[in-house]
Amino acid sequence: NAGVTQTPKFQVLKTGQSMTLQCAQDMNHEYMSWYRQDPGMGLRLIHYSVGAGITDQGEVPNGYNVSRSTTEDFPLRLLSAAPSQTSVYFCASSYSWRGKAQPQHFGDGTRLSIL
Amino acid sequence: DQQVKQNSPSLSVQEGRISILNCDYTNSMFDYFLWYKKYPAEGPTFLISISSIKDKNEDGRFTVFLNKSAKHLSLHIVPSQPGDSAVYFCAASGDTNAGKSTFGDGTTLTVKP
Repeated sequence: NAGVTQTPKFQVLKTGQSMTLQCAQDMNHEYMSWYRQDPGMGLRLIHYSVGAGITDQGEVPNGYNVSRSTTEDFPLRLLSAAPSQTSVYFCASSYSWRGKAQPQHFGDGTRLSIL
Repeated sequence: DQQVKQNSPSLSVQEGRISILNCDYTNSMFDYFLWYKKYPAEGPTFLISISSIKDKNEDGRFTVFLNKSAKHLSLHIVPSQPGDSAVYFCAASGDTNAGKSTFGDGTTLTVKP
């Protein structure tokens, strides 16, 4: 039972490079989200999706792109990496409303450093 | 403007005693609140939640209290155990999608044996 799987776990990039953070879930969850966590801070929502083919922006979307072609996968693309994007990135998934807001299941994060 | 605030960055308690973690929010549109627990190098895991139509929800050693008029909630852990040592995040959601939750900055709980 894998849950939410994020790859890679660690990555170092140079300014201006692009890359894709992968996220996959095997729980058939409708909702998926990407957050970033900076030191001493909470999680801030980057982008989210309520189902395949549907995405929307969160609190801090600039510099990131997402797509959701399948229920299972929700990749996050950094278009041109900047040092301000150095952070820990978490992917999460959850069921849609079931009479109450469903809790999110998180991956273990990708630690990204931009030099 | 931070909509969800956890004003205590850290809390230290003795094993067996009560731990009380606090959370304040400013947005009156929030109607669902969740607590997550996070160990180092792992993702957060869901602990307990409460709907705005309730003022208390209990699950084993964990109880969450909600005071809507004060826009305040608290998580009580009784009795505290060393394995409870972790970062605790309060999160609030304004619609049916908890995936759009707004998180506080977290409180690091240390339970001493």
